Amino acid sequence: EAQVTQNPRYLITVTGKKLTVTCSQNMNHEYMSWYRQDPGLGLRQIYYSMNVEVTDKGDVPEGYKVSRKEKRNFPLILESPSPNQTSLYFCASSRKLSGGQETQYFGPGTRLLVL
Amino acid sequence: QQQVKQSPQSLIVQKGGIPIINCAYENTAFDYFPWYQQFPGKGPALLIAIRPDVSEKKEGRFTISFNKSAKQFSLHIMDSQPGDSATYFCAASSRISGSARQLTFGSGTQLTVLP
Repeated sequence: EAQVTQNPRYLITVTGKKLTVTCSQNMNHEYMSWYRQDPGLGLRQIYYSMNVEVTDKGDVPEGYKVSRKEKRNFPLILESPSPNQTSLYFCASSRKLSGGQETQYFGPGTRLLVL
Repeated sequence: QQQVKQSPQSLIVQKGGIPIINCAYENTAFDYFPWYQQFPGKGPALLIAIRPDVSEKKEGRFTISFNKSAKQFSLHIMDSQPGDSATYFCAASSRISGSARQLTFGSGTQLTVLP
């Protein structure tokens, strides 16, 4: 089954304790990205990756890091989480199509609470 | 500053009604406009999409109307059903550089269809 998986699904942590949210896709997609979803703000892109070893900042990258060492994996790293990073996080992947008609496939989400 | 403005924030209709969700944008670089549907506890999933050279696109009970001159587009759901109750996001895609593209989301509309 084609899918994007994220782990963990739920996470409670404390300020300053480094954490990693994993993302994996089995569709051989080149493009992967991370979003955060907050009430009234929709989904905002944190980072994206066009392919292995190619990553770039989205709209809200502050406080986050990513890496893309393998095509299927795109982990999101919070080196020193703060309460304003409490949010619902989604990983997404897509093929790189011309004309922007790529369909993004989203993972099930990771709900993070930073105390 | 939200580049894609979506309204209303929430919408309640009776079964069989025709909910309409509206989106507006300013950036003329947007060249692809998808709508995503999100059920509670799930990631968003592509519902229907339109390119700006088309004024209307219909897929089943879902129709996108696109007004390029007004920079507005809307989603209509014909004969709405309780199973359509979900959060709907409009989005707009643009090229950033080279083959890199970015998807900008609206703030979302929570639709409830009453039985």
